[in-house]
Amino acid sequence: AQSVTQLDSQVPVFEEAPVELRCNYSSSVSVYLFWYVQYPNQGLQLLLKYLSGSTLVKGINGFEAEFNKSQTSFHLRKPSVHISDTAEYFCAARQAYGQNFVFGPGTRLSVLP
Amino acid sequence: DTGVSQDPRHKITKRGQNVTFRCDPISEHNRLYWYRQTLGQGPEFLTYFQNEAQLEKSRLLSDRFSAERPKGSFSTLEIQRTEQGDSAMYLCASSSSGSLNNEQFFGPGTRLTVL
Repeated sequence: AQSVTQLDSQVPVFEEAPVELRCNYSSSVSVYLFWYVQYPNQGLQLLLKYLSGSTLVKGINGFEAEFNKSQTSFHLRKPSVHISDTAEYFCAARQAYGQNFVFGPGTRLSVLP
Repeated sequence: DTGVSQDPRHKITKRGQNVTFRCDPISEHNRLYWYRQTLGQGPEFLTYFQNEAQLEKSRLLSDRFSAERPKGSFSTLEIQRTEQGDSAMYLCASSSSGSLNNEQFFGPGTRLTVL
């Protein structure tokens, strides 16, 4: 079985400051890793994904994440956040040969002026 | 717009009533997924179709829940005899089996409130 942990339920940060949202996973098999963003009253939008290859992946809206196999982590980072980045962020894992996503509980990012 | 659409966006019902939600996937996608998201939690997998075949169901999907995808296009999720615990956002996603990474595209969700 696989699981995804997001240790920070809420992260407040001032505008233009850097941010890191933490994600750890556990799985006995190879996994694909994803970060999704959910704005209020909307569905989930894919930010970025790690399938294989380079451990540093870049996504939309200036976000990037680094896959660390030894630490089983996939932390999301942005060097300078904007008010518009305020949203809920979900880390998800899927087994390489499976269909189902397992989502973490989410981290609410609040960007303050 | 060729994204995933869901109808209705909001549903308020009384306990004990039946409700049905609809999901229209991206037209060329043959896989369709249903998830449930409760407040403060990430989405939880409910069930998955490839074409018209329902290939997997979560233990979360009790006997009161049934999903169909009769023609391999749109799907419906029915909840019978709703309970207050069914209040949640129900998300639909679709993907293509031809896609290497099986990226799932999500709809806006249907928010169910059971009074």
